[in-house]
Amino acid sequence: GAGVSQSPSNKVTEKGKDVELRCDPISGHTALYWYRQSLGQGLEFLIYFQGNSAPDKSGLPSDRFSAERTGGSVSTLTIQRTQQEDSAVYLCASSFSYGRARGETQYFGPGTRLLVL
Amino acid sequence: AQSVTQLGSHVSVSEGALVLLRCNYSSSVPPYLFWYVQYPNQGLQLLLKYTTGATLVKGINGFEAEFKKSETSFHPTKPSAHMSDAAEYFCAVRSRTGNQFYFGTGTSLTVIP
Repeated sequence: GAGVSQSPSNKVTEKGKDVELRCDPISGHTALYWYRQSLGQGLEFLIYFQGNSAPDKSGLPSDRFSAERTGGSVSTLTIQRTQQEDSAVYLCASSFSYGRARGETQYFGPGTRLLVL
Repeated sequence: AQSVTQLGSHVSVSEGALVLLRCNYSSSVPPYLFWYVQYPNQGLQLLLKYTTGATLVKGINGFEAEFKKSETSFHPTKPSAHMSDAAEYFCAVRSRTGNQFYFGTGTSLTVIP
């Protein structure tokens, strides 16, 4: 596609439910990133994928958060047993790989706005 | 890990006045430097970046920034603010050897008519 897409755009869920957030990166981008943007805060790094592997999971806030990527393309961020503090905008970004392309720009999706009641 | 500090979480300028956004970073080796802009109800888009080569870089909407290695800072400017510049601006760095981007906490720019 022309850009990074994310779905759903908005998600309202009840505390304790599981949610899945989807990201479709730009075709050809092997690197994929998930961030969380809470109200009035900057971007909090969650996880990074290079292809289907996630060499850096250091940003996942708890074991309730997990992510996977299949076929080097679509990624899913899953939050289990959601809590109210999980409410935020979840952003996905993609870019070309490392090496010479480390200076490449990240392209962001529009985000998924999650509200946990 | 990189440290990225944006000076001024809220900046107000008059329409037509100079816009200055400020970002300091900590790194022994100059990283790749990025500024992103987030307009109201929109996603982040690249404002400008410095990777290699010419130290004066030009971005979108009349913004430009000069990379000064000795100062570990990267401050975009725009000579004359426009109402449409009102947005949230984020500084980000990426090391030349790592894969993670580190973002500042953002600067909210208000343009006063």
